[in-house]
Amino acid sequence: QQQLRESGPGLVKPSETLSLTCTVSGDSISSTSYYWGWIRQPPGKGLEWLGSIYSSGSTYYSPSLRSRLTISVDSSKNQFSLNLNSVTAADTAVFYCARQSRLLGYMDVWGNGTTVTVSS
Amino acid sequence: EIVMTQSPVTLSVSPGERATLSCRASQSVSSDLAWYQQKPGQAPRLLFYDASTRATGIPARFSGSGSETEFTLTISSLQSADFAVYYCQQYNQWPGAFGQGTKVEIK
Repeated sequence: QQQLRESGPGLVKPSETLSLTCTVSGDSISSTSYYWGWIRQPPGKGLEWLGSIYSSGSTYYSPSLRSRLTISVDSSKNQFSLNLNSVTAADTAVFYCARQSRLLGYMDVWGNGTTVTVSS
Repeated sequence: EIVMTQSPVTLSVSPGERATLSCRASQSVSSDLAWYQQKPGQAPRLLFYDASTRATGIPARFSGSGSETEFTLTISSLQSADFAVYYCQQYNQWPGAFGQGTKVEIK
């Protein structure tokens, strides 16, 4: 059974870098069938797609975050990661990782999410 | 960049009644649309992809329809487990924008 699990600090200071990792189990991150994506949800608000990565390292980023966001993949650990720099309080959110169909684009397996608060 | 707009923002429905949720795309997305259900404190769950293909384990009381710019999610007879927030998402073009969500609440 495929599972994704987010991990990383729950508190980040303003202007610093937010770093999260998603560990994939029950599936190979090198599969040719999927992208691997990050989505966030600010408190009380809707879902925002941040970016996705393919096992080759090809990435797609939200235009609004492109300048601050880096997504990378570590196939040896079956993980992919997110780095968001120069964070502000507006980046406070629940962050989800998800498996995304490469052919069609929908997200069919999600992690439980991890809450990240940006505060000094 | 494609913008997805959902209506209504909140839908108040009694158990056993029918619920109809709408999603509109700012330009054609063909049938490249997914619907997700999210309950409080939980991750979203895929309900439909390709506008009308039910994901694994989704009950038949849920149905999806539409194409191009107009899409509908229908719940034929609401059960207590169905009160949640529903999001549409297009995946015809990057970025894969979500709608702002429709909250289905108990009337």
